Amino acid sequence: GQNIDQPTEMTATEGAIVQINCTYQTSGFNGLFWYQQHAGEAPTFLSYNVLDGLEEKGRFSSFLSRSKGYSYLLLKELQMKDSASYLCAVRDWNSGNTPLVFGKGTRLSVIA
Amino acid sequence: GAVVSQHPSRVICKSGTSVKIECRSLDFQATTMFWYRQFPKQSLMLMATSNEGSKATYEQGVEKDKFLINHASLTLSTLTVTSAHPEDSSFYICSARDQQDKGEQYFGPGTRLTVT
Repeated sequence: GQNIDQPTEMTATEGAIVQINCTYQTSGFNGLFWYQQHAGEAPTFLSYNVLDGLEEKGRFSSFLSRSKGYSYLLLKELQMKDSASYLCAVRDWNSGNTPLVFGKGTRLSVIA
Repeated sequence: GAVVSQHPSRVICKSGTSVKIECRSLDFQATTMFWYRQFPKQSLMLMATSNEGSKATYEQGVEKDKFLINHASLTLSTLTVTSAHPEDSSFYICSARDQQDKGEQYFGPGTRLTVT
């Protein structure tokens, strides 16, 4: 089975940096994904890590440590439009057709 | 990136009726599609995995006779909610995997189902 944990809610100030953590336990591992989801909309892809280390893409970066079962999403220069839910998802290679399994999501509120 | 469409985007139906939701991969072929359900302020819960030309694989606790899935072609999967009840009201999201793109999973825009 899988277990994915991330904080339920976070609040940060416009222009600041915020780090959203995710820990996971899976029987197999074939990649960790971060998605952004605004209320009432489908998730949109942010990042993908399959090897240890940091992946940077503009204001967003994602880090993975497979030995620790740990990832974080780092958002820099926060903007009001970044207020959304951020979903950590893992692909469990041992799950047949390997769908993504999602954590409960972290609702980020960016305040002025 | 690849595009996945869903239709309808919103639907309101009466209790006891059936509703069909279509999921299409527009610019790639998807041998595997996934159907998720999301209740307010909760995460996406996988309902079933749909494979082209074969029966869908349902997650534990999901009634296969209530949520009928058909994946008749490489670009279309349908989810039919039969005999809908108010507790079926939810946000249904499909996702398709592009085998040519690192197996990236792309999401449709979702369908908001309200059962009255």
